[in-house]
Amino acid sequence: QSALTQPASVSGSPGQSITISCTGTSSDVGRYNYVSWYQQHPGKAPKVMIYDVSNRPSGVSNRFSGSKSGNTASLTISGLQAEDESDYYCSSYSSSSTPVVFGGGTKLTVL
Amino acid sequence: EVQLVESGGGLVKPGGSLRLSCTASGFTFNTYSMNWVRQAPGKGLEWVSSISGSSTYIYYTDSVRGRFTISRDNAENSLFLQMNSLRAEDTAVYHCARGAMRNGFDIWGQGTMVTVSS
Repeated sequence: QSALTQPASVSGSPGQSITISCTGTSSDVGRYNYVSWYQQHPGKAPKVMIYDVSNRPSGVSNRFSGSKSGNTASLTISGLQAEDESDYYCSSYSSSSTPVVFGGGTKLTVL
Repeated sequence: EVQLVESGGGLVKPGGSLRLSCTASGFTFNTYSMNWVRQAPGKGLEWVSSISGSSTYIYYTDSVRGRFTISRDNAENSLFLQMNSLRAEDTAVYHCARGAMRNGFDIWGQGTMVTVSS
C-alpha cells in the first residue's frame, strides 16, 4: 500500500493531453510544496520531470507541467507523443516518520 | 558526465548481510545529499534512506531502521548501504539518487539487484 494514491493506468492518443493525479494527505502533499514527478521506462532509471510541484528541470519538455490543489497533485502532459509511454511516479516530502513517500505509479499508454 | 554507478548486489540468504556501493562522478559529491531508493520486482519506487553531504543528517524508512546503515566517503565520492538481517521483502533493485529529500532526486543510478532467498 503506497502512501500516495495514483491511478494504475491512463491512456491517450497522440496529440491529446492527459492528467495523472496523486492524492496524499495533510501530512505530505497538502502540507508541503515539495511534490516531484518521475518518468521510468522499463528497465531504466527514473528521470525527474517535475520538482517542487511545478518546476521543470532543464532539458525536460514544456509539454510536462505540474500543479497542486489541497491534498492532490497533478501531472499534465500535453501534445502526447509515443515516447511519453512510460510509468510515472509522484513523490512528496512528508512530516511522518518516513520523510519521502511515493505513489504506486501510473502506466501511461499512448494509443 | 554526471553519473552514479551502483555495485554490490547479489543473492543472499534470509538473515544475511550485504553492502551496496554507489560511485559518483562529474559533480562535487560532498555538496549533495544522497539517497537509496528501491524497487521490488514489478512494484513501485520506495525511498529507503538519505544522508546529508557532511553525514550530519541521516534518515531511514521505518521498515529498515535498525537493520540498514547508510554512510558515505566524500574523499572517494562514494555512498554505501550496509544491509543486515535481510528479509525476503528486501528483494529489489536498489538505486542511489542525488538530491535533498524535499526537492526531489535529479540524478539516478541504474541500480543493483538484491535478492534475498534461501
